[in-house]
This record gives sequence, C-alpha cells and structure tokens, in this order.
Amino acid sequence: DQQVKQNSPSLSVQEGRISILNCDYTNSMFDYFLWYKKYPAEGPTFLISISSIKDKNEDGRFTVFLNKSAKHLSLHIVPSQPGDSAVYFCAAQAGNKLTFGGGTRVLVKP
Amino acid sequence: DAGVIQSPRHEVTEMGQEVTLRCKPISGHNSLFWYRQTMMRGLELLIYFNNNVPIDDSGMPEDRFSAKMPNASFSTLKIQPSEPRDSAVYFCASSHTGMHTEAFFGQGTRLTVV
Repeated sequence: DQQVKQNSPSLSVQEGRISILNCDYTNSMFDYFLWYKKYPAEGPTFLISISSIKDKNEDGRFTVFLNKSAKHLSLHIVPSQPGDSAVYFCAAQAGNKLTFGGGTRVLVKP
Repeated sequence: DAGVIQSPRHEVTEMGQEVTLRCKPISGHNSLFWYRQTMMRGLELLIYFNNNVPIDDSGMPEDRFSAKMPNASFSTLKIQPSEPRDSAVYFCASSHTGMHTEAFFGQGTRLTVV
C-alpha cells in the first residue's frame, strides 16, 4: 500500500526549461511534505519543504505547490540546469515519520 | 559536523552470513532512521528511534532483521542470516525530534548477498 506515489519514473528536459515533478499521497494525516534530491552513490539531500497550511513555497529556482484537496504536490525547477540531473524523492511526514515516494529520475539535457 | 556516517560503504557477503551495518548520527540529533532502497520498492522505512528507543519497527521485513541504538551516537542494523533478496542500499538518517524537521542522510551501505 503505497501512501506516497510518484507516477513518473523519469523525466527528460532541456536546459533552461521548466521541470515539473509530481507526487500524490493518500494519507490525510500527512501534514508536512519534503522533496529530496539524490545523486548516484550518495544519500538523499533535503531540497525544499512545505507545511500543509500553505499551498506554495519558493526557494530560488525551486517551488513546491501543495493541493490538499487533491492530495497532490509538485516541484517546479526553473530554469533547469544540467546539475539538476538526479533522482528526486517526495516525502510526506506524519508525526516524526517520513514516507517516501518511489522517485523520479530527471535528466537535464544541455 | 561530518554528517551522518555509515560503515561500511560496501559489503559483499555470502548467503547465510551475519551482516552488521553501522551508523553514527549527527551530534545533537535524537531521532535516527534506517531505510532500505531497492529498485522495486524505492526507499522504505525499516525502523526509527527517538532518544535511543525504537518507536516504530513495522517496516522491518522479517525477524532476521534487528536494530539497536545503545547510545545517542551509534546504531546498528543486523541481518542474520542474510539472503540474496536482502541486497539493497541501506541508508541511515538522523534528525531533531519533533515535527516538521528534515532528516539528514548518510551515504548508504550497498549490501550484496551472493
């Protein structure tokens, strides 16, 4: 029973364009959402987060949008850069427990 | 701070052998998490500790898996006996106890059971 789903396993985008990563969740108890970025042979690193009381959080080139009624969140990266090529995981938190999605592999082409 | 430190980085062992993975969390963090990453199931939470006490071990797949946290600066994940299907990357992460805090991950241990 996957409570957090990333339905797109991969995404390819041209440098300079927007990358949009999507994530859906089922558990209404989740009240905090995070995006992590992972390079090969490294652990995931925190990227950006959003509380359930907000619908948008922006940090530089990264913006996370939350639609609570749809139980959907998305990460926008604009403009995309080659260094953004990585696997991106969304995660949802209830209490102190984080549940991760399966990840989306992003490839930014120069 | 050196971050979350895991050892070994790579482990190759024969089926049936005992495997012990080690983790040193970030100093001052009092929550510790063990995750397993596989192609099929992505990142799965195996167990997490608050203040050295196991809080939720519902993700531990079988009795062959056990985890301990004898003090605030050290945790182990043990698999005995190991099986080929245990092959995965095992991550340890730590955070401050409480809601709305991000976890910091170690570099992982790649386990191969042959």
